[in-house]
Amino acid sequence: KNQVEQSPQSLIILEGKNCTLQCNYTVSPFSNLRWYKQDTGRGPVSLTIMTFSENTKSNGRYTATLDADTKQSSLHITASQLSDSASYICVVSANTGNQFYFGTGTSLTVIP
Amino acid sequence: NAGVMQNPRHLVRRRGQEARLRCSPVKGHSHVYWYRQLPEEGLKFMVYLQKENIIDESGMPKERFSAEFPKEGPSILRIQQVVRGDSAAYFCASSPGNTGSGYTFGSGTRLTVV
Repeated sequence: KNQVEQSPQSLIILEGKNCTLQCNYTVSPFSNLRWYKQDTGRGPVSLTIMTFSENTKSNGRYTATLDADTKQSSLHITASQLSDSASYICVVSANTGNQFYFGTGTSLTVIP
Repeated sequence: NAGVMQNPRHLVRRRGQEARLRCSPVKGHSHVYWYRQLPEEGLKFMVYLQKENIIDESGMPKERFSAEFPKEGPSILRIQQVVRGDSAAYFCASSPGNTGSGYTFGSGTRLTVV
């Protein structure tokens, strides 16, 4: 069964600190993995997209890693800001069926 | 190059009324996906459509819910005889047709059933 699991479910960190969010998946055959940021009351916005051959990709203070062998991805946020408070969603797509599989998200709260 | 446009942003309906949610995909995108998000929960897949075809509706409730994506015009998610449990945010996403390329979300429609 194609599944995407994220951890932790929620996280509270101090402004300026770093954090890492995890995503494990069983989707097969794997096509790509995306990380989205969803602010409260908004639609998800893409942060990174990674294919099978990519191990790491950065977007400003966000760095995503992918280990296709262990089927794990992480999103590392450096020097967190209050505006990073949001839900972070891992989405994995398969090579068949044009379908996307969603994790339930990690709710990040950055406090001053 | 506008993104995915959803309207209305907010919709209030009394129990028993009909709700119509509209989604205009990114120009050139022929694939549309609808998701529902309950408060404090993740996005749940509802239906995947291509122009004039429903490809996968495995996430759609069997009754009262329907979706269409006509040859011309926006995709419509229709909820008949709404109940309080239908209150949620409904998001639409579009893609050009393969999972490797752009997959963009709209800002959602917040449905409140009173």
